[in-house]
Amino acid sequence: AQSVTQLGSHVSVSEGALVLLRCNYSSSVPPYLFWYVQYPNQGLQLLLKYTTGATLVKGINGFEAEFKKSETSFHLTKPSAHMSDAAEYFCAVSPTLHSGYSTLTFGKGTMLLVSP
Amino acid sequence: SQTIHQWPATLVQPVGSPLSLECTVEGTSNPNLYWYRQAAGRGLQLLFYSVGIGQISSEVPQNLSASRPQDRQFILSSKKLLLSDSGFYLCAWSVQSGGYTFGSGTRLTVV
Repeated sequence: AQSVTQLGSHVSVSEGALVLLRCNYSSSVPPYLFWYVQYPNQGLQLLLKYTTGATLVKGINGFEAEFKKSETSFHLTKPSAHMSDAAEYFCAVSPTLHSGYSTLTFGKGTMLLVSP
Repeated sequence: SQTIHQWPATLVQPVGSPLSLECTVEGTSNPNLYWYRQAAGRGLQLLFYSVGIGQISSEVPQNLSASRPQDRQFILSSKKLLLSDSGFYLCAWSVQSGGYTFGSGTRLTVV
C-alpha cells in the first residue's frame, strides 16, 4: 500500500523567492513519484515524474524534485517564484508500473500563494 | 496526439436526480481509465478504474457507478444524487511511461 503526506496545506512565498513544497511517501515496493499542478477549476497537469535513473528530476516551468530514498521524500523546488506559479500542487505515488496500468495515490495538496 | 474530453464542465442537480458524466479519449487504444473525485481539503479520491471494456473496479462503496461501454468511453453515473456527491470529478487515463493525463473536470453541485 502507498500513502503520501504533503506538509503544509498552504505555502506563501514572495515573487522571486525559493519555492519548496514538501512530500513524503510510504510504499511497500520501489515507488514511482509524480508532481502535478492544478489551476482553479481545471484538471491536473503533470509537472515531473521519477521512475528510474537520476534522482534529480527536472520538469516544466523551472520546477525540479529530488528523490531521496533514505528520507522517503520527493520535495518540489523552484529557485525563483513567479506570480503564475500560484496554484495547487499534488504529490502522488504509484507502485511499479505494469503495461501502463497504475493506480496513483495522491497527497491532499499544497496551495502555493505568491505575493508581489 | 492523445486527448481526453470530459463534459459537462459544470452541473447543478437537485438531490435525488440521476447523474451521467462522460469521458472520452482520442488517439489511443485500450487505455486504462480512471474516475477521481476531489473535495475541498481532501485531495483526490480514486472512485473507479477500468483496464478494458466492461471491466470496472470500484475503490470505495458509494452512491455512484461506472461503466465502459466502448474502448475509449468511460461514464460515471448515479441513480439518485446525494448532497455529499458534490465535488469536482476528474477523468484520467494512464500512459505507458507512468502518470496520468487528466481531463478538465466537472464541477458538480447537488442542491
